[in-house]
Amino acid sequence: DAKTTQPPSMDCAEGRAANLPCNHSTISGNEYVYWYRQIHSQGPQYIIHGLKNNETNEMASLIITEDRKSSTLILPHATLRDTAVYYCIVKGSWGKLQFGAGTQVVVTP
Amino acid sequence: GAVVSQHPSWVICKSGTSVKIECRSLDFQATTMFWYRQFPKQSLMLMATSNEGSKATYEQGVEKDKFLINHASLTLSTLTVTSAHPEDSSFYICSARVGGNEQFFGPGTRLTVL
Repeated sequence: DAKTTQPPSMDCAEGRAANLPCNHSTISGNEYVYWYRQIHSQGPQYIIHGLKNNETNEMASLIITEDRKSSTLILPHATLRDTAVYYCIVKGSWGKLQFGAGTQVVVTP
Repeated sequence: GAVVSQHPSWVICKSGTSVKIECRSLDFQATTMFWYRQFPKQSLMLMATSNEGSKATYEQGVEKDKFLINHASLTLSTLTVTSAHPEDSSFYICSARVGGNEQFFGPGTRLTVL
């Protein structure tokens, strides 16, 4: 499975959009981009995933570049409860979720 | 979304004893379950993958005789930490998957070995 690169930390103001980047330049054609987040001392929570097209659900939007070498997770209106470590993971179907260091997002009032 | 539970949520045990952690998928049947370990200020590390009715597959460096995994049904997997020592103290998290895609995580079990 392809590796990903994320910034170690980001600050975001409450009510603003949070844009979390992820680079995955070695992604293969059949690999998906997954996003999970982990609030302190809890299990990871699934956010969204996509293959080629942009995706949106009630939690976030996922924008994948045309060459699929990078993506951005967008939290449209960050709240204090969105403070967490966000993980961008690339894996193929039936592959294993392997977690990197992720991005620590802190939402401030 | 799909719900995965773990029991207990925390456990304290003496060195040398064994501890069993249960992982259940509450509203779906999981074809595959995974066990992760997370030390303080670190990311999750995959320990093993298990499919119902078959032996677990362990990641490199994980001792299969120390971390016994039983996947008895499509809704239950157990992890037993045998002869636990203080260095086994960690946050153990399971996850369950239906098919090849979405994977749902339990709330984790905090193990402290004295």
